[in-house]
Amino acid sequence: NAGVMQNPRHLVRRRGQEARLRCSPMKGHSHVYWYRQLPEEGLKFMVYLQKENIIDESGMPKERFSAEFPKEGPSILRIQQVVRGDSAAYFCASSPTGLAGGPEQFFGPGTRLTVL
Amino acid sequence: KQEVTQIPAALSVPEGENLVLNCSFTDSAIYNLQWFRQDPGKGLTSLLLIQSSQREQTSGRLNASLDKSSGRSTLYIAASQPGDSATYLCAVNAGNQFYFGTGTSLTVIP
Repeated sequence: NAGVMQNPRHLVRRRGQEARLRCSPMKGHSHVYWYRQLPEEGLKFMVYLQKENIIDESGMPKERFSAEFPKEGPSILRIQQVVRGDSAAYFCASSPTGLAGGPEQFFGPGTRLTVL
Repeated sequence: KQEVTQIPAALSVPEGENLVLNCSFTDSAIYNLQWFRQDPGKGLTSLLLIQSSQREQTSGRLNASLDKSSGRSTLYIAASQPGDSATYLCAVNAGNQFYFGTGTSLTVIP
């Protein structure tokens, strides 16, 4: 059973470009979470998705950031018109049930975004 | 809003010592608490998961305890090894998201 997959592992973008980060959850997991880890800071929650639904996006910046988890295919975190402050490690996690069921979260290896 | 604090921020011990990492949280209404390990430039590896109804969990040389009423968890590492050097993170499940502490950076000196 493959773990949580994220790609690309490293992504370099110039200011103003778009960044697309992909996350494939563990097999049988329908709940996906995205986190951001800024340099020298802890992990911050961004968004919680279930298939075709955004459950909680309270941690997402109001502009330029969006996320989706379609019926088929991976979850996508999209950052439009990137700025240097978006440089960070973005982690995806998945679980078999929603958080209220007390599940264990499994993390992917992360995507390290560098904005030039 | 839930806040998670980890003390100490950094810890250096000689090989073979037993050690305790601390995690505290401000809101006791949690579903579970999970301890992770993060190596530099890597993702998170789950170490132990404690449900809110449990007091402790053990895996090999690791033992995690949870006192929900006082908002505290500890991670005990027995007979530390250089391979244990990493950053250790605790995360509290508040039902809608996980809240992470900023971690304890552990160095085990051979």
